[in-house]
Amino acid sequence: DVKVTQSSRYLVKRTGEKVFLECVQDMDHENMFWYRQDPGLGLRLIYFSYDVKMKEKGDIPEGYSVSREKKERFSLILESASTNQTSMYLCASLGQGSSYEQYFGPGTRLTVT
Amino acid sequence: SQKIEQNSEALNIQEGKTATLTCNYTNYSPAYLQWYRQDPGRGPVFLLLIRENEKEKRKERLKVTFDTTLKQSLFHITASQPADSATYLCALESRGSTLGRLYFGRGTQLTVWP
Repeated sequence: DVKVTQSSRYLVKRTGEKVFLECVQDMDHENMFWYRQDPGLGLRLIYFSYDVKMKEKGDIPEGYSVSREKKERFSLILESASTNQTSMYLCASLGQGSSYEQYFGPGTRLTVT
Repeated sequence: SQKIEQNSEALNIQEGKTATLTCNYTNYSPAYLQWYRQDPGRGPVFLLLIRENEKEKRKERLKVTFDTTLKQSLFHITASQPADSATYLCALESRGSTLGRLYFGRGTQLTVWP
């Protein structure tokens, strides 16, 4: 079974802090994604990566950056956390085969105070 | 503007009935459409995929239809059970976009009561 793990289930940070959210997948998938999920807004794509060191902006990249130095790991960075970045962050991975399903991690609930 | 709308935020039905969830889209040309289940505090889990040239897909008690003329997908759960209570998300990949780049609806929270 594909497993996608995220470094923390819950995280509390202060405004202005630099925050790292880590995601690791164990199925050698080429594509990885970071979403945030907010009540009433659904899942919104922040960034995605289709290969090591490659990245593309999603719908809401402002205030975020990403890093993909190794195939299995995709990091989301909040350079200077703000209260409006309080949210549930979900990582997902996708292989290049005929199956198009995305495999999601359990999520990180980030609170910025 | 582009939109994906799911019929209602919440749907409550009695155990044993068929639940029908709706996903409508505007200004997309979907290559395929997917349905996911999400339980509270968990990540979404893939359920079914239907391609633009398919009308219907089934998996056990689940059935998905896709009407590109109406720009709509229907998701049915037959003989529903309380364990089916969850939020259901529809998502589509638009033709011509990067592989795997999905656009999600906001979800419908289904509650099945005994």
